[in-house]
Amino acid sequence: NAGVTQTPKFQVLKTGQSMTLQCAQDMNHEYMSWYRQDPGMGLRLIHYSVGAGITDQGEVPNGYNVSRSTTEDFPLRLLSAAPSQTSVYFCASSYRVQNTGELFFGEGSRLTVL
Amino acid sequence: AQKVTQAQTEISVVEKEDVTLDCVYETRDTTYYLFWYKQPPSGELVFLIRRNSFDEQNEISGRYSWNFQKSTSSFNFTITASQVVDSAVYFCALSEAATGRRALTFGSGTRLQVQP
Repeated sequence: NAGVTQTPKFQVLKTGQSMTLQCAQDMNHEYMSWYRQDPGMGLRLIHYSVGAGITDQGEVPNGYNVSRSTTEDFPLRLLSAAPSQTSVYFCASSYRVQNTGELFFGEGSRLTVL
Repeated sequence: AQKVTQAQTEISVVEKEDVTLDCVYETRDTTYYLFWYKQPPSGELVFLIRRNSFDEQNEISGRYSWNFQKSTSSFNFTITASQVVDSAVYFCALSEAATGRRALTFGSGTRLQVQP
């Protein structure tokens, strides 16, 4: 039972490069989300999805794109990386669309933008 | 707008001491949910508890207990007889049940260090 799987775990980019953080869950959860964690700021929501084909912006969406073509996958795309996007990224899913249930987190992806 | 404040940035205790982590929240909704998550040094986030706004009963789970007080908008977390394995960053979070952004709003976290 894999739960929420994120890849890669570590990535170093140069300013302006693009990349995709992958997230997959095998729990048939409707709700999936991406958070970023920065020192002293807790976790902030980037984008979320309440089902295949439905996505919406969170608190800090600028510079990131998402799509949800299947229930299982929710990739996060950085189109033109900037040093301000250096962070630890967490994907999370939940079985309740209203997000009143427990969030299941991936192990995180540490991204450094030089 | 919803907000969660964890005023204690870092707490250091000696093993077997009791410690309380504070959490104060702001919301305009009457129905909401409060959470605590633990992030050990390995980095993953572990769910500890969920509490809805209509249930003010305190909860105890082993050495962990939670005190929810709507009158002071607080949801504090106490670890009794702390152990080195309790060393982690602890996050309090809030979710509003009304339609709107479906997300958890996290506090900035409290780093707990338990010294042997």
